[in-house]
Amino acid sequence: EAGVTQFPSHSVIEKGQTVTLRCDPISGHDNLYWYRRVMGKEIKFLLHFVKESKQDESGMPNNRFLAERTGGTYSTLKVQPAELEDSGVYFCASSQGPQGAGGYNEQFFGPGTRLTVL
Amino acid sequence: GEDVEQSLFLSVREGDSSVINCTYTDSSSTYLYWYKQEPGAGLQLLTYIFSNMDMKQDQRLTVLLNKKDKHLSLRIADTQTGDSAIYFCAEKFDSWGKLQFGAGTQVVVTP
Repeated sequence: EAGVTQFPSHSVIEKGQTVTLRCDPISGHDNLYWYRRVMGKEIKFLLHFVKESKQDESGMPNNRFLAERTGGTYSTLKVQPAELEDSGVYFCASSQGPQGAGGYNEQFFGPGTRLTVL
Repeated sequence: GEDVEQSLFLSVREGDSSVINCTYTDSSSTYLYWYKQEPGAGLQLLTYIFSNMDMKQDQRLTVLLNKKDKHLSLRIADTQTGDSAIYFCAEKFDSWGKLQFGAGTQVVVTP
């Protein structure tokens, strides 16, 4: 069974440009999460989808970030316009549903997209 | 504090035991996790423990939990070169599975 995949693995862009990151979760996983690790610091939560709906987007830094999950399958995270502080590694994770009732909720992570904004 | 905290670096000799420490934040019942990240790979769940437990053992891995001090540790017995990686401690922050991570501990195993 294929794991969580992310594309691209690396992206180098200039400040002010737009970048779109893609995540393909494990087939059948209702829950999809985005996280970000900036400059060797802690990994921070960005948002959580349940199927195609945003359950929690409290970690999104600002309105330059837009996440979508069309049809409850893959997800995209668009940064527009990108700023220097957006550089980091963006991780996607997925888990089986339903959640909300507890449980240890194993999240399967993709390899991440390393974004560098110059 | 509001953060999950970890020491940043650990060097250990092959065959010795490694101990990675973490302090977490939530005082309510929750799950606590240890993830491993090898170069170029995603985070791999190593083990987890529920906050009403004191210890969990899984082959070479032992997790100890001190609820009073909100302190979590991961002990790796007979450390091997393949154990060189970044280890992240994480806390389940809500019932929907949101995780709060530490900054990661870089473990380097030397021959």
